[in-house]
Amino acid sequence: QKEVEQDPGPLSVPEGAIVSLNCTYSNSAFQYFMWYRQYSRKGPELLMYTYSSGNKEDGRFTAQVDKSSKYISLFIRDSQPSDSATYLCAMSADTGNQFYFGTGTSLTVIP
Amino acid sequence: DAGVIQSPRHEVTEMGQEVTLRCKPISGHDYLFWYRQTMMRGLELLIYFNNNVPIDDSGMPEDRFSAKMPNASFSTLKIQPSEPRDSAVYFCASTPGGLSPLHFGNGTRLTVT
Repeated sequence: QKEVEQDPGPLSVPEGAIVSLNCTYSNSAFQYFMWYRQYSRKGPELLMYTYSSGNKEDGRFTAQVDKSSKYISLFIRDSQPSDSATYLCAMSADTGNQFYFGTGTSLTVIP
Repeated sequence: DAGVIQSPRHEVTEMGQEVTLRCKPISGHDYLFWYRQTMMRGLELLIYFNNNVPIDDSGMPEDRFSAKMPNASFSTLKIQPSEPRDSAVYFCASTPGGLSPLHFGNGTRLTVT
């Protein structure tokens, strides 16, 4: 079993839709959770990061962590064509120098 | 802040040739990571350094791969001899450490024919 599981998609939604991207993990030591956005032929770009359970909001993006279920989510409200990219979840234990990545979910927002 | 800088952006080479990928981390970041990304396997950690010292190289596929960090502002990943199965995008990333996230470069797309 992989440390981090992420549905690869692809996911296709109309512009303006709410998007939900999810990851599950198996290691209860993970404390620090990140979402990266990767455009084609670019490096992953940090989108959101959060420490421990709860919600964190930044504009149209909300990151949610449920440590009891070992489940994290990224919600995108009012999705735009410019949100079309691959989204990778990542997590780390308290040591902070080992990062575990999901395989990424490919998202297309159709105008 | 210029971010993590990688060169070259693209590399096309023939099987058996030596390939050298270069990375300049963000100034002040004590950790440097090399990843390989393919469609089939996603992001794979190859090796990471802390204060220029290799800490974990268990992800390096085989002896054909080597990495160095001669100083805090420069690292290389070398493949010798290269093989077609090495074709992938290679990313360098850095972080100050602690609970800070990784910052990635834009990668080197390697094609070995």
